[in-house]
Amino acid sequence: AQSVTQLGSHVSVSEGALVLLRCNYSSSVPPYLFWYVQYPNQGLQLLLKYTTGATLVKGINGFEAEFKKSETSFHLTKPSAHMSDAAEYFCAVRASQGAQKLVFGQGTRLTINP
Amino acid sequence: DTAVSQTPKYLVTQMGNDKSIKCEQNLGHDTMYWYKQDSKKFLKIMFSYNNKELIINETVPNRFSPKSPDKAHLNLHINSLELGDSAVYFCASSQDPGVPNEKLFFGSGTQLSVL
Repeated sequence: AQSVTQLGSHVSVSEGALVLLRCNYSSSVPPYLFWYVQYPNQGLQLLLKYTTGATLVKGINGFEAEFKKSETSFHLTKPSAHMSDAAEYFCAVRASQGAQKLVFGQGTRLTINP
Repeated sequence: DTAVSQTPKYLVTQMGNDKSIKCEQNLGHDTMYWYKQDSKKFLKIMFSYNNKELIINETVPNRFSPKSPDKAHLNLHINSLELGDSAVYFCASSQDPGVPNEKLFFGSGTQLSVL
């Protein structure tokens, strides 16, 4: 079975500062990993995903994430935060074989301070 | 045009009532889902339908009954509503559930409040 743990339910950074949102996963088979973003009163949108190949994945809005198998992590980063990045971020995992459901972490609320 | 649309956006009702939430997608996708997001923002899958056929049915009370009249629609009917059913319900769709790296397209959610 797959599971995801997001460390920190709330992260606050200053505008222009580095954003780091942590995600660790558990999977008995090679995982596919995703980051979704949820802006207020909206549904989730895909930021980026890791399938196979390059472990550093670039997504929309300047975000990127690195798959580290040895650490079972898939942390999300952005070099310089913007006010518009304020949202809820969800890490998710899906088994590469046989499973059809996406398992989400509990989410991290990102607040940007002016 | 909204890709995945669900109605109503807000639903306030009394305990014991029966209510439905409707979802439609215009993306031509074969698979649709219902997710429940609780007050702590935890998001968990409830059901998935592929071409009107149920393929995922998580441990959900049988008061919840999904209905898919065609592959573009997946409605959620809830009988005898309870306080614990209060949550945000998200509909989503994807093209092929057998492709593990497929992205999901989500609706904007229905906030259900049971009083």
